[in-house]
Amino acid sequence: QSVLTQPPSVSGAPGQRVTISCTGSSSNIGAPFDVHWYQQLPGTAPRLLIYRNINRPSGVPDRFSGSKSGTSASLAITGLQAEDEADYYCQSYDSSLSASVFGGGTKLSVL
Amino acid sequence: QLQLQESGPGLVKPAETLSLTCSVSGGSMRNSAYFWGWIRQPPGKGLEWIASIYYGGTTNYNPSLRSRVTISVDTSKSQFSLRLTAVTATDTAVYYCARVVLAGINWFDPWGQGTLVTVSS
Repeated sequence: QSVLTQPPSVSGAPGQRVTISCTGSSSNIGAPFDVHWYQQLPGTAPRLLIYRNINRPSGVPDRFSGSKSGTSASLAITGLQAEDEADYYCQSYDSSLSASVFGGGTKLSVL
Repeated sequence: QLQLQESGPGLVKPAETLSLTCSVSGGSMRNSAYFWGWIRQPPGKGLEWIASIYYGGTTNYNPSLRSRVTISVDTSKSQFSLRLTAVTATDTAVYYCARVVLAGINWFDPWGQGTLVTVSS
């Protein structure tokens, strides 16, 4: 059971907008510690999608955006495409655990 | 372009020691901006950070695994390694190595392709 809670699954039709939430507490996201997001395509390693809450590495489409408020963070994907079908993970640090922590992951299905 | 590649046995017996090596190419490990880390993912489950190491030898461990884990680095070979002792079936996972970016709350980028380690007799 992760200290960062994500919905197990979300879905959307091509072209739509979806959001994935990552809910923590005062010992992690609310501390406040930064949140990072990763995309894991089927059968591949995770890749960095968003760092420091809102920043996109080069090569990541601007359809992906991050936000953070209080003890939660969100990843938004606009103009949904079939290639976006993947697992998405949030990551932060937890001061109570003294460890980098990941959310449980959210499976995005493109209908 | 920095690349990381994990290597090691794919099958380990219960109670034995899991040993993996990550080879780094396309860049130097001797950079003050980075640590080097290991993350694992049990089949069908989420990600768990295991440990990280600086090229100078400073280490950080996940307290939940600390008693069984050792991470080490050999910059002359551009490699860092993981040892996990007294393994059980719950240690079966894909093990990833990654560069750890030091900037506030650290993040992992890039990742190796991962290697599946199965614990079974």
